[in-house]
Amino acid sequence: NAGVTQTPKFQVLKTGQSMTLQCAQDMNHEYMSWYRQDPGMGLRLIHYSVGAGITDQGEVPNGYNVSRSTTEDFPLRLLSAAPSQTSVYFCASSSPFGGYTFGSGTRLTVV
Amino acid sequence: SQQGEEDPQALSIQEGENATMNCSYKTSINNLQWYRQNSGRGLVHLILIRSNEREKHSGRLRVTLDTSKKSSSLLITASRAADTASYFCATLLIQGAQKLVFGQGTRLTINP
Repeated sequence: NAGVTQTPKFQVLKTGQSMTLQCAQDMNHEYMSWYRQDPGMGLRLIHYSVGAGITDQGEVPNGYNVSRSTTEDFPLRLLSAAPSQTSVYFCASSSPFGGYTFGSGTRLTVV
Repeated sequence: SQQGEEDPQALSIQEGENATMNCSYKTSINNLQWYRQNSGRGLVHLILIRSNEREKHSGRLRVTLDTSKKSSSLLITASRAADTASYFCATLLIQGAQKLVFGQGTRLTINP
């Protein structure tokens, strides 16, 4: 069982480019979330979903879009990359009120 | 703003000693969770304590929760070099949809 799979692991973008970070889970978890981690800032919630077709904003949603068409997948789209979006991105999933399972992360650099 | 604040930000102890990390939070919670992150890796769930629980154990881990003080502590007993990592507390908020909000973490170093 793979758990939570994130791709790619590393990415370099130029300012203004767009891209999609992929996240897939095989645990049939209802809840999925995207976080970004910056040095000294802990993890900050970008967007989350409580089920297919339902998404909502977290603490830092600007510049990012999400959709949840299936239970398994929760892609994160960067619309027009900016240097401030240089970060490590983590996807996580959970059952209701349970512990979260995290992916291994995507390290994104915007130049 | 971050829901949780952790103390200390960094902790360095000798192998075999006990390590205690503290977490404070601001709003009512459904549960509180602790995670470990090794350098350059993803987060690993360690333990979850519900708002109606006061103490929980898992192996060498002991977690306490005081909802009246909005605080929690994580105790790692008989520390090992492999325990070197960052430890995060995270609170599952009670209002609205399920959101897990993280503190900034404690960097624990175990010296051999």
